[in-house]
Amino acid sequence: GPKVLQIPSHQIIDMGQMVTLNCDPVSNHLYFYWYKQILGQQMEFLVNFYNGKVMEKSKLFKDQFSVERPDGSYFTLKIQPTALEDSAVYFCASSARDWGQDTQYFGPGTRLLVL
Amino acid sequence: GEQVEQLPSSLIVQEGASVLINCSYTDSASVYFPWYKQEPGKRLQFIIDIRSNMERKQNQRLTLLFDKKTKHLSLHITATQPGDSAIYFCSASNRYGGSGNKLIFGTGTLLSVKP
Repeated sequence: GPKVLQIPSHQIIDMGQMVTLNCDPVSNHLYFYWYKQILGQQMEFLVNFYNGKVMEKSKLFKDQFSVERPDGSYFTLKIQPTALEDSAVYFCASSARDWGQDTQYFGPGTRLLVL
Repeated sequence: GEQVEQLPSSLIVQEGASVLINCSYTDSASVYFPWYKQEPGKRLQFIIDIRSNMERKQNQRLTLLFDKKTKHLSLHITATQPGDSAIYFCSASNRYGGSGNKLIFGTGTLLSVKP
């Protein structure tokens, strides 16, 4: 199926630093998502994004989080500053707009470790 | 908020056996239910979905049953192969399609198929 890419695959940073997670969505997709999975727990929705705007965010999407997709480049999740509880795997997903073609396709995840 | 539960949490079968994975949800407004599998170290892979106006959907060896009254889904996999070994995730959305929606994921079912 269509492939979503994520860069980097792993990131280790010190608490308080800024981190940017990059997602390269499927080329004709218009909706973008971030999900968070803490080790051993369920994957949880963070945010979705369409037409340059956040459409919906969960309570996990703290004020320190932000998303953007400048000029059709990477869809990014920025955390500034990071906290220990941000350690998790972050999955990006994208989907097309058309009904019936709207499966969310996931990237392989970025494993973030905050020390 | 919406909760999605899966049973069993894990199962081990011999190659060729059939398996049944159960999923239940709490929000009666949920109308779209995609399923994903995740092989070790790999991305989530979409395998099948169903909308609330259907009771049954089949895709090759996969059959997905949906009971709106009991808020219950069942994924039936026939003639299992070692390549089916993965974690299977049920998810739910309260919008009638994948795009722009947050997916609420289940707890996952780890399937191991022994040759």
